[in-house]
Amino acid sequence: DADVTQTPRNRITKTGKRIMLECSQTKGHDRMYWYRQDPGLGLRLIYYSFDVKDINKGEISDGYSVSRQAQAKFSLSLESAIPNQTALYFCATSDWTSGRSNEQFFGPGTRLTVL
Amino acid sequence: AQSVTQPDIHITVSEGASLELRCNYSYGATPYLFWYVQSPGQGLQLLLKYFSGDTLVQGIKGFEAEFKRSQSSFNLRKPSVHWSDAAEYFCAVVFTSGTYKYIFGTGTRLKVLA
Repeated sequence: DADVTQTPRNRITKTGKRIMLECSQTKGHDRMYWYRQDPGLGLRLIYYSFDVKDINKGEISDGYSVSRQAQAKFSLSLESAIPNQTALYFCATSDWTSGRSNEQFFGPGTRLTVL
Repeated sequence: AQSVTQPDIHITVSEGASLELRCNYSYGATPYLFWYVQSPGQGLQLLLKYFSGDTLVQGIKGFEAEFKRSQSSFNLRKPSVHWSDAAEYFCAVVFTSGTYKYIFGTGTRLKVLA
């Protein structure tokens, strides 16, 4: 969905480096999410934010942190990347105010490789 | 514990054949249910959703799904598969009692034979 953008789309980094993945949305949605996708494991929720002042840990938050800089921006950081964080990362949004809070809209993904 | 299961990792069908992808969940109440599709190199796109009401829901691209409370299932169907349907399909469930949880199944990869 072009309304949800992720940068970079691909990143190769080394163990121990700090990495930030960024997500921006023009949909005006209040809720934003970060997932990682691994083969055979589906998508797993890392962090989610219901508004700018609300940040919540998901299923697999260890080793990650997030920042909700504005309603439209939600960034994911890996403070010290490790190889098992190699995965496809997706940002998603949803809209509580319209009553459709449980329908999520996904960005195109960021493929991260940690060597 | 709340969980979502897609028992089929891979499914292969011939073009024009019917399709059914299975999804089961474990939960004490009726959750919100979704099917998403992921084409290669793409993000996820919502196919259809069930919140309440009619248990047979219609989605985009000719897909439908039926919620069966007695079986805790939400299976996705299509009467006639097209080659462009080859993709990975994810069932997702939102559990709303207690801590908010949005859980995806592990996915079913569909291959379509010409």
